[in-house]
Amino acid sequence: SQTIHQWPATLVQPVGSPLSLECTVEGTSNPNLYWYRQAAGRGLQLLFYSVGIGQISSEVPQNLSASRPQDRQFILSSKKLLLSDSGFYLCAWNWGGGADTQYFGPGTRLTVL
Amino acid sequence: EDQVTQSPEALRLQEGESSSLNCSYTVSGLRGLFWYRQDPGKGPEFLFTLYSAGEEKEKERLKATLTKKESFLHITAPKPEDSATYLCAVPREFQGAQKLVFGQGTRLTINP
Repeated sequence: SQTIHQWPATLVQPVGSPLSLECTVEGTSNPNLYWYRQAAGRGLQLLFYSVGIGQISSEVPQNLSASRPQDRQFILSSKKLLLSDSGFYLCAWNWGGGADTQYFGPGTRLTVL
Repeated sequence: EDQVTQSPEALRLQEGESSSLNCSYTVSGLRGLFWYRQDPGKGPEFLFTLYSAGEEKEKERLKATLTKKESFLHITAPKPEDSATYLCAVPREFQGAQKLVFGQGTRLTINP
């Protein structure tokens, strides 16, 4: 069976500090990978997605970047965090497009102070 | 532009009191509709995928239905452990991947 991991689970960072969140998927190969952000009281917003190693597409221009150095690893980064980057970050995966189900990880709660 | 609207935003029920949650959508060429459950501080947990109008799926006390313009999540005789936020989403295939357009969710509370 497939398992998706995210770490850290929670993070408190000062404004202007760098960020690195990691997501890994076990039990599958060549998945599509996604980063979402869920701000307080708001819905899930797609940030980045990747269909393969080194292939990253951005949905929304922002202070964040993503990388996929290995087939089952997806990293979300920032060089300098803003207050508005606070939120709940979720990684998800699926095998294809269309109506293929996306499965979500446990999430990382980021608070920028 | 694809839009997904869920109602109500919040719903409080007594244990055993059945009700329905609504998810209406405006998309061109619906290719499916997803329902997820999200507990506080956790990632969304997949519940159902519906593909065509008239389709129904059940899981324990939950039943999801789909029409051409909306989906309902019916909760029969709910228990306190059914308390969660329920999210619906529609997929858009995009460059080999998939964009999920989510509704804002319905926060369901079941009181014992």
